[in-house]
Amino acid sequence: KNQVEQSPQSLIILEGKNCTLQCNYTVSPFSNLRWYKQDTGRGPVSLTIMTFSENTKSNGRYTATLDADTKQSSLHITASQLSDSASYICVVSAYDRSGTYKYIFGTGTRLKVLA
Amino acid sequence: NAGVTQTPKFRILKIGQSMTLQCTQDMNHNYMYWYRQDPGMGLKLIYYSVGAGITDKGEVPNGYNVSRSTTEDFPLRLELAAPSQTSVYFCASMFGGMNTEAFFGQGTRLTVV
Repeated sequence: KNQVEQSPQSLIILEGKNCTLQCNYTVSPFSNLRWYKQDTGRGPVSLTIMTFSENTKSNGRYTATLDADTKQSSLHITASQLSDSASYICVVSAYDRSGTYKYIFGTGTRLKVLA
Repeated sequence: NAGVTQTPKFRILKIGQSMTLQCTQDMNHNYMYWYRQDPGMGLKLIYYSVGAGITDKGEVPNGYNVSRSTTEDFPLRLELAAPSQTSVYFCASMFGGMNTEAFFGQGTRLTVV
């Protein structure tokens, strides 16, 4: 079964600190992996997208890594800011049997950054 | 830069009532999706469409219907609202294909009482 699991479920850090969020997936065949940021009460917004051949992708203070062999990804946030408080969702995409492109969503990690 | 627009933002329905959640995109995207997000859960696909006139069921389609008469619009219909449909609903659109980006609307928070 195609699944995306994220850890931890929630995380509290102090402003200025770094943190790393984890994503494990069992989606096959794998197409690409995205990290989304979802602010409370808003729709998800894309942070990074990686194909199976990419190991690292950065977007400002956000750095995503991908190990396609172990089916693991991480999102590293550097020098956290209060505005980083949000849910971070790992999304793996694949084509289903009918050839339609689908997203499989993780349940997200809820990050709270404290002053 | 409207992107994906959902209406309404909030709605309270009584059990058995019906309503339509509206979704419009102005990016000429072929693919459109409806998801629901329950507290502490990942987004679940309700229905999707790969183009005008074409719709298909996702993971959790029961109790919902959709139509796609134009490229821009993808309304989601609840015919007989049930408490289990209390959720936040997100509409998304994308061009389609492997590395294209999906854009999400702001969500509709629906409560069925």
